[in-house]
Amino acid sequence: GDSVTQTEGLVTLTEGLPVMLNCTYQSTYSPFLFWYVQHLNEAPKLLLKSFTDNKRPEHQGFHATLHKSSSSFHLQKSSAQLSDSALYYCAGYQGGRALIFGTGTTVSVSP
Amino acid sequence: GPKVLQIPSHQIIDMGQMVTLNCDPVSNHLYFYWYKQILGQQMEFLVNFYNGKVMEKSKLFKDQFSVERPDGSYFTLKIQPTALEDSAVYFCASSFRQGSNERLFFGHGTKLSVL
Repeated sequence: GDSVTQTEGLVTLTEGLPVMLNCTYQSTYSPFLFWYVQHLNEAPKLLLKSFTDNKRPEHQGFHATLHKSSSSFHLQKSSAQLSDSALYYCAGYQGGRALIFGTGTTVSVSP
Repeated sequence: GPKVLQIPSHQIIDMGQMVTLNCDPVSNHLYFYWYKQILGQQMEFLVNFYNGKVMEKSKLFKDQFSVERPDGSYFTLKIQPTALEDSAVYFCASSFRQGSNERLFFGHGTKLSVL
């Protein structure tokens, strides 16, 4: 069935280094994918969403590109900041009305 | 920006009791959702609601669960009776439209502890 997969549970890195979080999907429909971020003790909020016109969405230095050939929507940032430490969810619609979340990747950025 | 408020932030109850979790969605939003997140696990979809009706629910939405939004007030999730496995953080979300490209706005969650 349709699903969203995040392979990393925890990513630890030093401030200033690049970060990439993996997200792959399996869908029988044209996919709409999202990245949500949840900082400690805060509500999850939208970071990025995919576009259908091949635009590359960007926000707060993060970007992600939908690649239908590899069924991926990886999240990237060229230089991580301390404030990027959070839980990141890739999410998508299964063709129904429910937004389904991946298992999430915790990012821990240290000085 | 638009905010979804959840009341209370933490609720502790004894197994078998009834509990109602309250959500005050973004004022002009029409679609409402509940998600459940057990500690250390992913957020999982429970139910979505529109125009007074459940539109879709997952297998996690047990018979003991119910949702309503009487007269445009709080969107509520009621669990009666509660079980130990209901302990989790419950997130409410809302959106203006329904669609595959639609953004959801989430509340901070209500942590439910069933003893």
